[in-house]
Amino acid sequence: ETGVTQTPRHLVMGMTNKKSLKCEQHLGHNAMYWYKQSAKKPLELMFVYNFKEQTENNSVPSRFSPECPNSSHLFLHLHTLQPEDSALYLCASSQGAESYTFGSGTRLTVV
Amino acid sequence: GENVEQHPSTLSVQEGDSAVIKCTYSDSASNYFPWYKQELGKRPQLIIDIRSNVGEKKDQRIAVTLNKTAKHFSLHITETQPEDSAVYFCAASIKGNNRLAFGKGNQVVVIP
Repeated sequence: ETGVTQTPRHLVMGMTNKKSLKCEQHLGHNAMYWYKQSAKKPLELMFVYNFKEQTENNSVPSRFSPECPNSSHLFLHLHTLQPEDSALYLCASSQGAESYTFGSGTRLTVV
Repeated sequence: GENVEQHPSTLSVQEGDSAVIKCTYSDSASNYFPWYKQELGKRPQLIIDIRSNVGEKKDQRIAVTLNKTAKHFSLHITETQPEDSAVYFCAASIKGNNRLAFGKGNQVVVIP
């Protein structure tokens, strides 16, 4: 493990389901991020949290709802997703630019 | 904001040959430039980085060069091996050098 743990590793959900992705870091970092990575596409930054406050939302649809209860935990709540939302969702944490650490990701499939 | 561009998008090389990936950035305030490697189905991992006060850094078969005047930096992989096949992301520091802006990634394929 890298110090950033994501669960679950794989998730299959129907379009009417509600599920949550979890990310936990034990590195003492103050920033946490959600990225979406679709097949053969670049990393897309979704949300940025600094000291558990959301500082950036890159025009993400409201069916994705982040939650950051403290600096060590980050959630991504999912509801009424579309098949095109199927992707690898990566969490990362950092303390400045030189310590970016990614989790192993959650492979999400929406059916 | 910072614009980080990578090229080529896909690179195929014969095993044993060298591979070079180039990135350009737009923000002259950026001072930290890491490279990440992402193998299929895995997370991006830092493989090498360079700071703006250095022109070149080497670690075994990989090296990174930085040209601050031209705002570009390159990843060099020598004596490529099949396990070098992966997507490589470059990045540049932004937001007062507290965050990273990532390039779109390069798919490197090493042909045995």
